[in-house]
Amino acid sequence: GAVVSQHPSRVICKSGTSVKIECRSLDFQATTMFWYRQFPKKSLMLMATSNEGSKATYEQGVEKDKFLINHASLTLSTLTVTSAHPEDSSFYICSARDRQDRASGEQYFGPGTRLTVT
Amino acid sequence: KQEVTQIPAALSVPEGENLVLNCSFTDSAIYNLQWFRQDPGKGLTSLLLIQSSQREQTSGRLNASLDKSSGRSTLYIAASQPGDSATYLCAGRLMTTDSWGKFQFGAGTQVVVTP
Repeated sequence: GAVVSQHPSRVICKSGTSVKIECRSLDFQATTMFWYRQFPKKSLMLMATSNEGSKATYEQGVEKDKFLINHASLTLSTLTVTSAHPEDSSFYICSARDRQDRASGEQYFGPGTRLTVT
Repeated sequence: KQEVTQIPAALSVPEGENLVLNCSFTDSAIYNLQWFRQDPGKGLTSLLLIQSSQREQTSGRLNASLDKSSGRSTLYIAASQPGDSATYLCAGRLMTTDSWGKFQFGAGTQVVVTP
């Protein structure tokens, strides 16, 4: 159980275009999902917290107009990178918390999406 | 702000040796700490989750300890195997109510186990 999927696993897009990444909790409901970014050989950096039915909370330094987050249902959150530039190329990982498990606080991570902007 | 540090950054051991990976955090108001494994180009696999009220967790060859007072957690991997080669990340979850579930990750320890 507790599986999180991401789609696509890899995407290449041209500068100036937008790309959408989906994060789904497959066998549980997630009121809260998190989006991370990882640079090569670096750790994960939290970008934003996505809450079902409300606006996302962005970390300091993350442009909310560039990284649009929508959490329309209890099993789906999307991250849209708008007007992508080569410096947006990175590995994006989402995680989700099971709404029925508020005690342990465990997060379940997706397999990640490799974005390359040419 | 919680700072999480992992030492060493890289580690190479021969097969069969025990691995000791260290994680330190600056804020003792930690709710829990989780250890992950990441293979190259892949997502994270959760290994062990230790709640702040616990001192250690064990799963097979893996044992993780947590000492809140000293701000440290240690992951032990017994009798290492080449398949244990990966990057190991620790992440501390903050206790403040306005950051429910927010993790602060360390930079990771890259482990290579040679046959």
